[in-house]
Amino acid sequence: DVKVTQSSRYLVKRTGEKVFLECVQDMDHENMFWYRQDPGLGLRLIYFSYDVKMKEKGDIPEGYSVSREKKERFSLILESASTNQTSMYLCASSHRGHEQYFGPGTRLTVT
Amino acid sequence: SQQGEEDPQALSIQEGENATMNCSYKTSINNLQWYRQNSGRGLVHLILIRSNEREKHSGRLRVTLDTSKKSSSLLITASRAADTASYFCATDAGTGGFKTIFGAGTRLFVKA
Repeated sequence: DVKVTQSSRYLVKRTGEKVFLECVQDMDHENMFWYRQDPGLGLRLIYFSYDVKMKEKGDIPEGYSVSREKKERFSLILESASTNQTSMYLCASSHRGHEQYFGPGTRLTVT
Repeated sequence: SQQGEEDPQALSIQEGENATMNCSYKTSINNLQWYRQNSGRGLVHLILIRSNEREKHSGRLRVTLDTSKKSSSLLITASRAADTASYFCATDAGTGGFKTIFGAGTRLFVKA
C-alpha cells in the first residue's frame, strides 16, 4: 500500500525557533512537494523537488528551505519560525505527470 | 491568482442527490485532477483526466473536461453522508508534470 508519512501530526513551536518537518515516501517517486494549507486559500506550493538534491521554489518559498539528500525523504525547514507560519503543512509525492499521494499533514502552531 | 478555481465554494445537499462541482483554469494543461480532503486530513486522489479526454468515470464519479472553455466538472451521483469533504481540482499548468496547482476547493456537505 502506498504511503507518505510525516514526522508529526501536531507541533507547537516558539517564535524564532528552527523547525524541521520531515516527509518520507515508500513509492520510489521522483517528485516530492511541500504545501501549506490555510482556510480559504487552498494549497499553496512552497517547494518541490524532482530528484535527489534538486529543488525548485514554489509560489511561497520565503522563510522556508528544503533538503532532499535521499530519494525517499524531503525535509522542510523553517529557519526562524514566525507566527504567520502557523498553518497545516502537507507533503506529497508523485511520479512525473501522475497523481500525487499526500501525507496526513502536520498542523504547526507558532506562538 | 490560482490556476484552478472551484465553484461553488460550498454545497449542501441531501443524501441520494447528485452533487456537481465546477473548476475553471487559465492556461493550457496536460491533465486535470480532482482530489478529496476529509476534515483535517491529507488529500486523496480521485481521478485524473488528460487534455485529450472529454469524460471519465470512476464508480459514482464522473468528470468532464472542456479545454475550449478551460473548465471541468465533477459529478458525484447518489451522494452519501461519507462524501462530505472538500473537493479540489488541480492542474499541471503546462509545467510538464513537475508542478500541480490547486484551487481553493468546494466544501460539500451531504445531509443524512
